[in-house]
Amino acid sequence: DAGVIQSPRHEVTEMGQEVTLRCKPISGHDYLFWYRQTMMRGLELLIYFNNNVPIDDSGMPEDRFSAKMPNASFSTLKIQPSEPRDSAVYFCASSYGTSGGAGTDTQYFGPGTRLTVL
Amino acid sequence: SQKIEQNSEALNIQEGKTATLTCNYTNYSPAYLQWYRQDPGRGPVFLLLIRENEKEKRKERLKVTFDTTLKQSLFHITASQPADSATYLCALEDYGGSQGNLIFGKGTKLSVKP
Repeated sequence: DAGVIQSPRHEVTEMGQEVTLRCKPISGHDYLFWYRQTMMRGLELLIYFNNNVPIDDSGMPEDRFSAKMPNASFSTLKIQPSEPRDSAVYFCASSYGTSGGAGTDTQYFGPGTRLTVL
Repeated sequence: SQKIEQNSEALNIQEGKTATLTCNYTNYSPAYLQWYRQDPGRGPVFLLLIRENEKEKRKERLKVTFDTTLKQSLFHITASQPADSATYLCALEDYGGSQGNLIFGKGTKLSVKP
């Protein structure tokens, strides 16, 4: 398997523009996570899906952020309108849920999308 | 809510020495703890998982301990090499979510000098 695939790898946009980040999880994985990483706050969970259904979006900073998972092999994270404070690296991760719960599930991360909002 | 802290932002050691990284948590008692490695420009990569009843786990030059009384995990790299230079993250299950997910510490950046 190619691992988790994210696109684009780098995105530079101007404030107010719409940004769409894409993720293809590992085939067979039933959990998908979107994280944001900054120096100040570290790795923060934004939202996660189980079997394509959003389970917890309490980490989404505000209504400008939205995420979808139309099928098991694709998810998007959209920011509209973007702001300079959204600049960060955005990671997608997937895992296969086991009966042991999330604490025992290894998460496999994509390479990330580095977003810069000018 | 639970809190997870990695005490050192950065750790510099000499090649061949043992690196010891610390992860502390508060407000609950996790049954599992995970450690990840992150290289610059890449996503975190899973290294080890330790259960609360395991106390210690080893994988090649890596050793993890889990002290539920101190609410602390230690991550050791023996005979360290420059290739071990990276940021190391600990992660715990977040019981605040509806089905649980991982929350991560901010990481410790390890630099191994030749």
